[in-house]
Amino acid sequence: ETGVTQSPTHLIKTRGQQVTLRCSSQSGHNTVSWYQQALGQGPQFIFQYYREEENGRGNFPPRFSGLQFPNYSSELNVNALELDDSALYLCASSLPGLAAYNEQFFGPGTRLTVL
Amino acid sequence: AQTVTQSQPEMSVQEAETVTLSCTYDTSESDYYLFWYKQPPSRQMILVIRQEAYKQQNATENRFSVNFQKAAKSFSLKISDSQLGDAAMYFCAYRSRNTGNQFYFGTGTSLTVIP
Repeated sequence: ETGVTQSPTHLIKTRGQQVTLRCSSQSGHNTVSWYQQALGQGPQFIFQYYREEENGRGNFPPRFSGLQFPNYSSELNVNALELDDSALYLCASSLPGLAAYNEQFFGPGTRLTVL
Repeated sequence: AQTVTQSQPEMSVQEAETVTLSCTYDTSESDYYLFWYKQPPSRQMILVIRQEAYKQQNATENRFSVNFQKAAKSFSLKISDSQLGDAAMYFCAYRSRNTGNQFYFGTGTSLTVIP
């Protein structure tokens, strides 16, 4: 059983550009959540996908969007990048179902730097 | 909205000693889950321990235990017999049972283990 993987590991973009981050869920997990972790802060919930549909969103603008594919892998897209978007982006997958107790398995993250 | 507060940005402990990390949270709900996650320098978040709010008994996982005080909305983590591998950022997190699609994280406590 493979764990959660994310790509790329590091990324440097300039203001105004667009970026796509990718996540492969742990085998058998159909729920994926994305978090933004600014330096020195705890992760902040961006949104969650369950069976390819968005299932909850945090306080992030619409330029943060996502996709989940039939194999439950996921993408996070950020348009019109701003300097404050510089952060570690974490993906977390969960076991089937929406039970709140389900443990979230985190990937290693993608470090995004916006210049 | 739920908030999670970790008032200790940094803590240190001698190897083999015991340390307690503090966490308080604010919620109007009665049914929820609390978690402690560990984030080593490798960045991958790992679940340390979890507690169901309706259970009065404090959770224990080997050297890790919690002191859950529901009325005080306090959820501290005790690490016994500290080991060098315990050095990491520790995040306290809250998840609602009713709307459990996101975790609310605190800002973290950086734990240093002194040999």
